[in-house]
Amino acid sequence: DIQMTQSPSTLSASVGDRVTITCRASQSISSWLAWYQQKPGKAPNLLIYKASTLESGVPSRFSGSGSGTEFTLTISSLQPDDFATYYCQQYNGYPYTFGQGTKLEI
Amino acid sequence: EVQLVESGGGLIPPGGSLRLSCAASQFSVSDNYMSWVRQAPGKGLEWVSVIYTSGTTYYADSVKGRFTISRDFSKNTLYLEMNSLRVEDTAVYYCAKNLGYFGPWGQGTLVTVSS
Repeated sequence: DIQMTQSPSTLSASVGDRVTITCRASQSISSWLAWYQQKPGKAPNLLIYKASTLESGVPSRFSGSGSGTEFTLTISSLQPDDFATYYCQQYNGYPYTFGQGTKLEI
Repeated sequence: EVQLVESGGGLIPPGGSLRLSCAASQFSVSDNYMSWVRQAPGKGLEWVSVIYTSGTTYYADSVKGRFTISRDFSKNTLYLEMNSLRVEDTAVYYCAKNLGYFGPWGQGTLVTVSS
C-alpha cells in the first residue's frame, strides 16, 4: 500500500497568513493526488485534484503543486472560514490512501 | 444539484450485520464509479470499497470478505452490506462519487459496533 504522510499534523496561523501543508507519498504517484478540507461534523470537501487543478467553486487562494512523491497545498491568505482539517489522498492505485490530516488552527 | 444521502447506520453488537444505503439525485450511480469511505471517531479517512460501472468491485483488506458493495439501478441507490461487524468498524460511513478523487460526498451515517 502507498503511505501518505502529511506535515505538520497541526498548524497554528492567523488570518491573512500564507500557509503551506506538505504531503509525501511512499512511492511515486505521478500527479494523482487530491486535497480535501473537512470541518467538524461535516463531510470532506474536494479542493484540488490531479495535484494542482482547482475544483470548481473553490477560492483561488488555494493552490496545489508537486508531482512524484512530494506535494504541497498552499493557502495564500488565510480567511476565518479556512480553519479546518486538511487531507491529501492518492489515487494512483488501490487501496486509495489518505494522509493523517493537518489541523489548521488559530 | 447533485446530492447523496446516506442512511441505515445505528448501534449494532459485534458480529452483527447492517446495510447502508446511499440515495443519489441528479446523477446516476450506475453510470459512475462509486465508493464508500469511512472515518472512525476522531480519526482520519479510510477508503472502504468501490464499484465500477461494469460492476467490478474492490475492497480494502480490512473489510474484504465481510462487506459487499452493490447498487440498484431502479432506485438509483448505492449499498454497503456489512457482516461480521467488529468494534473497529465503528465510524461515520460516507458514500462518494469516485473519479479517483472523491466528490461530491454524502453527509455520512454513523455505525457504532458495541455490546
